[in-house]
Amino acid sequence: AQSVSQHNHHVILSEAASLELGCNYSYGGTVNLFWYVQYPGQHLQLLLKYFSGDPLVKGIKGFEAEFIKSKFSFNLRKPSVQWSDTAEYFCAVNAGNRDDKIIFGKGTRLHILP
Amino acid sequence: DGGITQSPKYLFRKEGQNVTLSCEQNLNHDAMYWYRQDPGQGLRLIYYSQIVNDFQKGDIAEGYSVSREKKESFPLTVTSAQKNPTAFYLCASSSSAGKLFFGSGTQLSVL
Repeated sequence: AQSVSQHNHHVILSEAASLELGCNYSYGGTVNLFWYVQYPGQHLQLLLKYFSGDPLVKGIKGFEAEFIKSKFSFNLRKPSVQWSDTAEYFCAVNAGNRDDKIIFGKGTRLHILP
Repeated sequence: DGGITQSPKYLFRKEGQNVTLSCEQNLNHDAMYWYRQDPGQGLRLIYYSQIVNDFQKGDIAEGYSVSREKKESFPLTVTSAQKNPTAFYLCASSSSAGKLFFGSGTQLSVL
């Protein structure tokens, strides 16, 4: 069965600090990987996704993530965070077959200090 | 406007009562999902449907039921068998695996 682990439950950073949020998944086959973000009071929205090809994917608002197949990881990064990045971030996985099942991690609350 | 509409926004359930949460989409998406969001637990998949008249259990389906009689609609019933129903319920749809469009959610509480 698929599962997703997010290592950090709550992260506090100052503006301009670099960010890396960990995500590991357990599934032996081909996977599709995602990061979603939920800003305070808003719907969940897609930040970026990996289906195939270049393992370094770029998303909105300067975020990027790297798929490392050997480590079953898909960590989210941003070189310099802003106060507006305060949100909850969710990693998600879909088995890359024809099943549309999508499993989420428990989320990481990111708090950026101005 | 295209999107996912969930109703009601708030719902209260009495002991032993079944309640139904509505989810409608006008995005012409094939796949629809129900997730439960609890603090510190992330989103846990209850049920999902890839096509009309077909649906699959997610990780926490016990105490819930769904139907998919129309492409646009995927209602969730929280039955009396669900012993801990208080949570925030999110409906989503997708045209291709992964990019989910979420509704605004229903907060269910027990009286």
